[in-house]
Amino acid sequence: NFMLTQPHSVSESPGKTVTISCTRSSGSIASNYVQWYQLRPGSSPTTVIYEDNQRPSGVPDRFSGSIDSSSNSASLTISGLRTEDEAEYYCQSYDISSHWVFGGGTKLTVL
Amino acid sequence: EVQLVQSGAAVKKPGESLKISCKGSGYTFSSCYIGWVRQMPGKGLEWMGIIYPGDSDTRYSPSFQGQVTISADKSISTAYLQWSSLKASDTAMYYCAANSLTGEPSMFDYWGPGTLVTVSS
Repeated sequence: NFMLTQPHSVSESPGKTVTISCTRSSGSIASNYVQWYQLRPGSSPTTVIYEDNQRPSGVPDRFSGSIDSSSNSASLTISGLRTEDEAEYYCQSYDISSHWVFGGGTKLTVL
Repeated sequence: EVQLVQSGAAVKKPGESLKISCKGSGYTFSSCYIGWVRQMPGKGLEWMGIIYPGDSDTRYSPSFQGQVTISADKSISTAYLQWSSLKASDTAMYYCAANSLTGEPSMFDYWGPGTLVTVSS
C-alpha cells in the first residue's frame, strides 16, 4: 500500500494564503481522487475538498485543491486566511481495493 | 438536511462487548456508502471500514479486519460498529460518515458528531 505524507504544521497570518501539501509515496497521485478534511478542536471533521478539486456546497471558494503529477502530490490552498481556519487538515485517498489512506494531518495556525 | 446522529458516549471494561450506532436522515440511506473513522487521543484520523447498506457490501481496513464488525439496517437507516471484546487501546472517538455525493466508497461528505468510547478497568 502507499502512504500520504503531510507537513506536521504550517502557520500564516490572517488574510494571507497558505498551501498544505500531501505527497503520495508510491503509485500515481492522479490514479485515485484526493479528499481534504478539516478538523477543528472539539468538532467533528468536515469535508472541504473532494475529488481533487471539488468543493461541497457551503465550503467557501477560499478553499481550493489541486494535484501535481510531477511531484506526485496534492495540495490544499486556503486564501484570505481567517482565524476560524485554524484547524488540522487531513488528506485522504484510496487504493485499488477501495481501502482508504489518510495523511498524518497538518496543524494550521493562523497568527 | 443530511444528518448523522450517533449513539452516546460509552464507558466499558476490557473484555466487554459494545455496539455503537449511527442513524442517517435527509438522504437515501440505502444508496449511499457509510463508514467509520477512529481518532485515538492526540492522534490522527484512521479509516476503519465502509458499508453499502443497499446490499451490505462491506470493506475493512486491514488494520481493523477481524477486530470490529460493521453492519447496517437499511429498514431503520442505521449503521453499526461493534466489538466483541474491547481492549484499553480501543479508547477513542469514533466518527461515522457518509458519502451522499458520488456513490463511490472513496470519500465522505457528511460526518456525525462522534461517539467517545472509553475502555478502562
